[in-house]
Amino acid sequence: EPEVTQTPSHQVTQMGQEVILRCVPISNHLYFYWYRQILGQKVEFLVSFYNNEISEKSEIFDDQFSVERPDGSNFTLKIRSTKLEDSAMYFCASSRDREGQPQHFGDGTRLSIL
Amino acid sequence: AQSVTQLGSHVSVSEGALVLLRCNYSSSVPPYLFWYVQYPNQGLQLLLKYTTGATLVKGINGFEAEFKKSETSFHLTKPSAHMSDAAEYFCAVSERGGGNKLTFGTGTQLKVEL
Repeated sequence: EPEVTQTPSHQVTQMGQEVILRCVPISNHLYFYWYRQILGQKVEFLVSFYNNEISEKSEIFDDQFSVERPDGSNFTLKIRSTKLEDSAMYFCASSRDREGQPQHFGDGTRLSIL
Repeated sequence: AQSVTQLGSHVSVSEGALVLLRCNYSSSVPPYLFWYVQYPNQGLQLLLKYTTGATLVKGINGFEAEFKKSETSFHLTKPSAHMSDAAEYFCAVSERGGGNKLTFGTGTQLKVEL
């Protein structure tokens, strides 16, 4: 069964540095998402992306964050000037359609900011 | 704004016993409803979903859930727990007619004892 893949599985970065988290969504999916899960807290929506533009974003997704689909397969989340509170598990997801369709999640990237 | 409440952050059952994980949503219009399972160090795996039609939905691994509009609930059940069911379970909703953003509950950690 096709799956969403995320790299790296664990990223350790110094505070203030930029990180790029990478995702390869399922190939025939058109909608892409990023979520994060701070340790011990619930999964939170960050952003959704369709047709090469952001379709919705949460208040968490401020100017520090950006997303991009640089080619036909990758979907990336960039975090500029990382802060300690950015430490979390970041999940990428994709869905075939928008309305009511289940999202398929990757295994996540654990981001640790030192 | 939508919200999801999962009663019981930790549930413990004996192997072979009934599993009942509770989920209630708060939304003026019944949303799309999902249950996801997360095994340690893995991503979120879809167990089942309710979009329309029959209110009792069956998912993978013997789990099922019933949508009850009058109770704004979507509780997850399994008649007989297995040791391999030990994991964290998340109820999630997305808004009808809106984007496909998922709003998650805080999760329920299921422990299965011999």
